[in-house]
Amino acid sequence: QQQVKQSPQSLIVQKGGISIINCAYENTAFDYFPWYQQFPGKGPALLIAIRPDVSEKKEGRFTISFNKSAKQFSLHIMDSQPGDSATYFCAARAGSNYKLTFGKGTLLTVNP
Amino acid sequence: DGGITQSPKYLFRKEGQNVTLSCEQNLNHDAMYWYRQDPGQGLRLIYYSQIVNDFQKGDIAEGYSVSREKKESFPLTVTSAQKNPTAFYLCASSEQAYGYTFGSGTRLTVV
Repeated sequence: QQQVKQSPQSLIVQKGGISIINCAYENTAFDYFPWYQQFPGKGPALLIAIRPDVSEKKEGRFTISFNKSAKQFSLHIMDSQPGDSATYFCAARAGSNYKLTFGKGTLLTVNP
Repeated sequence: DGGITQSPKYLFRKEGQNVTLSCEQNLNHDAMYWYRQDPGQGLRLIYYSQIVNDFQKGDIAEGYSVSREKKESFPLTVTSAQKNPTAFYLCASSEQAYGYTFGSGTRLTVV
């Protein structure tokens, strides 16, 4: 049972455009939602994270939007750049559980 | 600088051979994890440990073994029972309230 569903699987965006990646979850006990960015041959790195007491969090060109009632959250990359080309993973964790549940990832390509 | 060190970066295994991947962290994190990543695939959990001398199987533990004798170290052994071991292996650590810190990975190839 996949507890975090991520879409799309791949995404192609022109330089300067907005990239949007969506995730949906079922477990209402989830209370921490991070996004990771992974470049080829490297380990994933924490990009931005949100807790369900806020509906939006922005860090530079990256924004997480969170809809608790719909059990959905999304990553928006404004003014996308070729250097943003990477695989992005959403994840979720419940309460005192250390373990994250990951989405399957989205391969983002930003064309120059 | 604090972080996670995985070694070696590249590893080649012969058929029927056991190999051990190293993972060391100096972040003082309680929990450590091993993931396997295949091309175009997501992250699949192999084993994880929340405290020293204790660990649990993840989704794809068959053919793998781990130990957690020290808080800083969580080595993964890929045994000969793992029939398709060629993959990118990622180690991570975490504190309870925060996300993971990942290592830079080990690419294992069967020759």
